[in-house]
Amino acid sequence: LAKTTQPISMDSYEGQEVNITCSHNNIATNDYITWYQQFPSQGPRFIIQGYKTKVTNEVASLFIPADRKSSTLSLPRVSLSDTAVYYCLVGDTGGFKTIFGAGTRLFVKA
Amino acid sequence: SAVISQKPSRDICQRGTSLTIQCQVDSQVTMMFWYRQQPGQSLTLIATANQGSEATYESGFVIDKFPISRPNLTFSTLTVSNMSPEDSSIYLCSVERGGNTIYFGEGSWLTVV
Repeated sequence: LAKTTQPISMDSYEGQEVNITCSHNNIATNDYITWYQQFPSQGPRFIIQGYKTKVTNEVASLFIPADRKSSTLSLPRVSLSDTAVYYCLVGDTGGFKTIFGAGTRLFVKA
Repeated sequence: SAVISQKPSRDICQRGTSLTIQCQVDSQVTMMFWYRQQPGQSLTLIATANQGSEATYESGFVIDKFPISRPNLTFSTLTVSNMSPEDSSIYLCSVERGGNTIYFGEGSWLTVV
């Protein structure tokens, strides 16, 4: 299982773009990269998943360089409601032993 | 995605008692997973529950403390036995869907007093 490293916390202001980078140096060939968002007292919520290059959905973009040893979650124009913990996960077998790192606490200020 | 319902959503429990948490999924799934999240911490995998076989526990978790049932492909229970204040946590049920994505229930918040 590839271990992930993320910043412990980040601060931002409303309307700014936020980029959270995750390091996963030991990522395996079959591994996907998945990001989750968790609000207090709620279960984690799937945000986005990718294998390589760039993936974009209605919520975020995920940038993955060619070596795949890192990935960056990009949240465009954050709002106060984006204050949450963001987890980066790497794995190839879905829910099999999915291991969560410490996550990044994003705090969006007015 | 998957719709995952957990009961209870919250409970306050007396020390030494046991509580069973239920997890219901809207469609059949092979694997169901139970996580614990202690206050201010990340999620820790407790065990993997397969239908028709015993659950597989992670290091630090044992069946006597966290017995799990998986009677069918849409339902599982986790019991927290002989609770102590250290067991105060959110307990989360999750399932794999879409090959590489896991989905979580809203969690069951237990406070042991």
